[in-house]
Order: sequence, then structure tokens, then C-alpha cells
Amino acid sequence: GAGVSQTPSNKVTEKGKYVELRCDPISGHTALYWYRQSLGQGPEFLIYFQGTGAADDSGLPNDRFFAVRPEGSVSTLKIQRTERGDSAVYLCASSPNLGSNYGYTFGSGTRLTVV
Amino acid sequence: DAKTTQPNSMESNEEEPVHLPCNHSTISGTDYIHWYRQLPSQGPEYVIHGLTSNVNNRMASLAIAEDRKSSTLILHRATLRDAAVYYCILSDGGSNYKLTFGKGTLLTVNP
Repeated sequence: GAGVSQTPSNKVTEKGKYVELRCDPISGHTALYWYRQSLGQGPEFLIYFQGTGAADDSGLPNDRFFAVRPEGSVSTLKIQRTERGDSAVYLCASSPNLGSNYGYTFGSGTRLTVV
Repeated sequence: DAKTTQPNSMESNEEEPVHLPCNHSTISGTDYIHWYRQLPSQGPEYVIHGLTSNVNNRMASLAIAEDRKSSTLILHRATLRDAAVYYCILSDGGSNYKLTFGKGTLLTVNP
């Protein structure tokens, strides 16, 4: 497709469960970013990849959060032992190369609700 | 990242120009100024960015003050589709992959 695709668009899970959120970036974009947006707030940086490696994961809240991008294209954000405070919209973005001066293209996000 | 200050909300009428202000008094020489907007239930959308000179593209214009302590996003003719939250963001030239979003300005466009 032409844009960044995120699946699922909505996910409801029980506290303590494991979830995976998927991001398909624009074809050919080498840089991929994950952000999290809580209600009424702007998006917060979580992690970014240049190619296959996580170049900066300083925004991940704790070790329950992990992300991979094994082949330098699709990325998966994994959350273990989910908590109610993890409820948010998780946004993925990609850019042709590393750096915000290329302009990020965001997906529509995955709305995660932990009950 | 240097901080930006934007009004919480603004209102405009359809087909009129809109000037969205942003203050960034602590901007450093290598900081770029970015604007994104977010429509309801969508991810943010890139609008425009610049360093020192004014910039124009098909979506908007960015006017940057001479001292770079403020900037203005200009929508030349607002449409209902422009109703969104507009974010003004600074990125450090050295590590400009990490955008720090604030709360932005909620723009309402009246028909």
C-alpha cells in the first residue's frame, strides 16, 4: 500500500496478557519509529530502527516493552504482562532515511485497551 | 529538546487564512522547526519544516522570525478538512530523529 499500515487497529486485552502490535512501513523506507499517545497528550517517542537494528530504545517505559524489525521492513512492538496504564494509541512512522528532515509518515495507530 | 509554546486552541472561518503561532525562545542554532497536524482518529501528518528561511509547500507556509524565537504556520485558505491539532516541534540537528510533541493547538474551522 501507499502508506504505513498498522494492525490491528484496535486491541482489547486482559491485564497480565501478552500483546503484539504490527507495523508495515512504506516500502523502501529504512527508518522506522514507534510512538505512544495517551488521551489528550501528544505522541511520545518509544524507539526507532535504522534498518534491522534498534538504534535508540530510550523511550521504552520498562523491560516489559520490546520491539523487533528482523528483516529491516515490518516491525513488531511486543508488550509483556500488560497493565492498565499501557492503554494508549501506539503509532508507527517511517521515513526514507534516518532523520526528521525527511518528514515522517505515520500510520493510523493501534488503540490498545487493557482491562 | 528545546520547548515550544502554542495556544491551546484557535478558531477560524472557512476560506479565510489562518496563522498558527509558536514560540520557541530557547531554540539553538541547529534546531529545525517542524509542523505536524493530527486529524481525529488518525496519526500525525507532516506539514512543513524549516531552519532559518521561510518555506512554502502545497499545504502551508512557514514564516520564521529573524531571531528564530518564534514561527507561524500559515494556512492560506482554511477548509473544514484543516480542523485538527497542530503541533510545532523542534528537533536537534544532531539527533533529529526524535520528535518531542507537546499538546499542540486545536484548530476549529467554522463553515
